[in-house]
Amino acid sequence: DTAVSQTPKYLVTQMGNDKSIKCEQNLGHDTMYWYKQDSKKFLKIMFSYNNKELIINETVPNRFSPKSPDKAHLNLHINSLELGDSAVYFCASSQEEYRHIRLSSTDTQYFGPGTRLTVL
Amino acid sequence: RKEVEQDPGPFNVPEGATVAFNCTYSNSASQSFFWYRQDCRKEPKLLMSVYSSGNEDGRFTAQLNRASQYISLLIRDSKLSDSATYLCVVTATSTKFSGGYNKLIFGAGTRLAVHP
Repeated sequence: DTAVSQTPKYLVTQMGNDKSIKCEQNLGHDTMYWYKQDSKKFLKIMFSYNNKELIINETVPNRFSPKSPDKAHLNLHINSLELGDSAVYFCASSQEEYRHIRLSSTDTQYFGPGTRLTVL
Repeated sequence: RKEVEQDPGPFNVPEGATVAFNCTYSNSASQSFFWYRQDCRKEPKLLMSVYSSGNEDGRFTAQLNRASQYISLLIRDSKLSDSATYLCVVTATSTKFSGGYNKLIFGAGTRLAVHP
């Protein structure tokens, strides 16, 4: 009964390959996120979706394409992987509801266990 | 200047000690503040929100000083299980897409190691 799950947990691949990471939440939340945690441990937001709609896109290369087939799933596809893409990628969800445009960000974000991506 | 700055530590303390972590943030428009905890090779989890009046949750006390843009976390009577990295988190408005939605900005974390 994991709240936020990600697959795979580990991903080792060669430069230039294309790979996908999947995320699912069973909390009934409206908002999902992708974060990247690099070797210096900084956790940075990449994307956020609310009810399948992209609402945050933080200067992420076009090689990264999120897809939300429904509000319980947010997948991340990465094309032409580079060495610098090696990191831990965390999916998260929260019960943020968007009435108009502003988000209060007071709701707790629940993180998945992370996907450790290594690009060789 | 980093948006959220923390002393990386590590703080090595004996069980029972009191330890304090500090954090400064650069965006005076930040509205919400949190402490998250991240165990080694695990995901971050919310420890507590931080309110202007200060708040306490058991052995943990959080303080916020908006004028100085400074947040603190005090842990009393440290336990071995408190060993983790503590992440200071503030909100900021994302301007790189439409709508001006808020996002969480994480500090790099302060590592705490509690020993017997």
